[in-house]
Amino acid sequence: GAGVSQSPSNKVTEKGKDVELRCDPISGHTALYWYRQRLGQGLEFLIYFQGNSAPDKSGLPSDRFSAERTGESVSTLTIQRTQQEDSAVYLCASSLDPGRNFAKNQPQHFGDGTRLSIL
Amino acid sequence: AQKVTQAQTEISVVEKEDVTLDCVYETRDTTYYLFWYKQPPSGELVFLIRRNSFDEQNEISGRYSWNFQKSTSSFNFTITASQVVDSAVYFCALSEVNFGNEKLTFGTGTRLTIIP
Repeated sequence: GAGVSQSPSNKVTEKGKDVELRCDPISGHTALYWYRQRLGQGLEFLIYFQGNSAPDKSGLPSDRFSAERTGESVSTLTIQRTQQEDSAVYLCASSLDPGRNFAKNQPQHFGDGTRLSIL
Repeated sequence: AQKVTQAQTEISVVEKEDVTLDCVYETRDTTYYLFWYKQPPSGELVFLIRRNSFDEQNEISGRYSWNFQKSTSSFNFTITASQVVDSAVYFCALSEVNFGNEKLTFGTGTRLTIIP
């Protein structure tokens, strides 16, 4: 498809289980971001990928959260030993990399998100 | 640290009225970008506008207009002649410029309801 694709769209799991969320960015977009949106709140940055590297993981809330990206394409966000406070919508965004060219900033295009509910 | 404040949590207006959504930001950077995104009830985030810190010209796009004032660190969004389809949560966001890492700092959003 033309846009950012995320799967699953909804995930319900029991506390303590591990979950894996997937993001397929727009083809050719080298920059990829994960955000979290708790109910009624704005989005919180989690991690940034440039290609397959993650130079900024500063938003990951704990070591239970990890992410990887392969082939400069698909990314997976893994949450281990889920807790109820992990319940949120997890959004992925991708953009072209402007590099060091300020004038070439590209807006981030968001997927529809994965709604994660921890029982 | 960067911060975006959207003091208006919820706004309701009658259709065809004009409405302004406020956004105030904080950053120590001299080079940055400001954004507005729309999140309709279906949940997807729709990009509306990007403005860089060196361009203070106001912008108009159809019924939408944006007023960027660096002196007050504000980037307000006005919808003219509002329509029911404008009902959504609107987010203002800020990104620094850091060699490709343009992670967004979002405000908490303003829920806009247009009453028919």
